[in-house]
Amino acid sequence: AAGVIQSPRHLIKEKRETATLKCYPIPRHDTVYWYQQGPGQDPQFLISFYEKMQSDKGSIPDRFSAQQFSDYHSELNMSSLELGDSALYFCASSSEKGQGGNTIYFGEGSWLTVV
Amino acid sequence: QKEVEQDPGPLSVPEGAIVSLNCTYSNSAFQYFMWYRQYSRKGPELLMYTYSSGNKEDGRFTAQVDKSSKYISLFIRDSQPSDSATYLCAMSAGGYNKLIFGAGTRLAVHP
Repeated sequence: AAGVIQSPRHLIKEKRETATLKCYPIPRHDTVYWYQQGPGQDPQFLISFYEKMQSDKGSIPDRFSAQQFSDYHSELNMSSLELGDSALYFCASSSEKGQGGNTIYFGEGSWLTVV
Repeated sequence: QKEVEQDPGPLSVPEGAIVSLNCTYSNSAFQYFMWYRQYSRKGPELLMYTYSSGNKEDGRFTAQVDKSSKYISLFIRDSQPSDSATYLCAMSAGGYNKLIFGAGTRLAVHP
């Protein structure tokens, strides 16, 4: 079965640079979530989209922005990168109409290292 | 105080043991309860999903939800070394609400 696809899998950027992460949800899933997981930490919710509209916002820095496009893929844009932004960024998707209701599936993550 | 509390462990058990993992929560609006397994530097993998209170069994895994006590559990029978991972509980109020995770419990099953 198709899963959540994230790219790139690994990314190295310098401080103050910009990075863009992409997420392709499971087909027919209408909701996308972004999470940030620091080393040894649990995933922290950043932002979510339903039907291309922002549905919820968590601890996302003002330097970050995200959107969901007409094909339901989503991009997380991170500017003025700081060392503390180094983390594993997960995208997840779900569908209200899918079996299991609100079951949320995660991608493999994008590992961002800021040097 | 975090909305979801989970003992981070580590928990070390011998192969074949029954493992019990637990989480408590404070938000009575949570209705959907999940357990994820995460290997190092990998995405969380959905193991069990439960709606509201009750038990659910899938192979060697059993999930229990007690909403009256705001307490959920995951039991792993006949644990295997391949079960060694971090287990994250997660819950949501439903709809398009975000998942709130526990801290994750690191489990090591030794032969």
